[in-house]
Amino acid sequence: DARVTQTPRDKVTEMGQEVTMRCQPILGHNTVFWYRQTMKQGLELLAYFRNRAPLDDSGMPKDRFSAEMPDATLATLKIQPSEPRDSAVYFCASGLDPGLAGGQTQYFGPGTRLLVL
Amino acid sequence: DAKTTQPNSMESNEEEPVHLPCNHSTISGTDYIHWYRQLPSQGPEYVIHGLTSNVNNRMASLAIAEDRKSSTLILHRATLRDAAVYYCILSNFNKFYFGSGTKLNVKP
Repeated sequence: DARVTQTPRDKVTEMGQEVTMRCQPILGHNTVFWYRQTMKQGLELLAYFRNRAPLDDSGMPKDRFSAEMPDATLATLKIQPSEPRDSAVYFCASGLDPGLAGGQTQYFGPGTRLLVL
Repeated sequence: DAKTTQPNSMESNEEEPVHLPCNHSTISGTDYIHWYRQLPSQGPEYVIHGLTSNVNNRMASLAIAEDRKSSTLILHRATLRDAAVYYCILSNFNKFYFGSGTKLNVKP
């Protein structure tokens, strides 16, 4: 049963520290999405990759967040420096783009729960 | 961005059908309608999606209005494991924008 994996599952850090979250998409999938979930804002799309190329990161705070795909099996989301307002659950999702705009199913990982003190 | 409107919460009895409504009056012709659900402490999980026609799968049915401005997710026999937040999402070019969802409570 193929699944998206995320590490770490939980992270507690102090303000100003760098945080790196990792995601392993389902083998064969060619799209990767990063989301953030807070009680106040709900689920927000941060970034979207297709074939490892960033297509949209308009939802991401540019000054401190960065997202990359070093290879097809790894996606990373970095926050530097971290702030208390970054505390949230960060989800990665992957999918297979069928070439039909909007018809893709996204498979979500279990999330990384981040607490910045 | 296209928006969806859902009731904040709904309640159902176990083993009875549940109809979860969603309004999306600003839907465009190429927007797909997706439904996902999120169980406590888990990531969202795919339920069903469609474009114009009604859809059925092993989890649920999706009824889409003829003008596509609304849709209904139908769980045929609710179980306690179906208690979750259900999100109705419009998607174009594969980008999902989640609304606040409907929290479904299933009573034994």
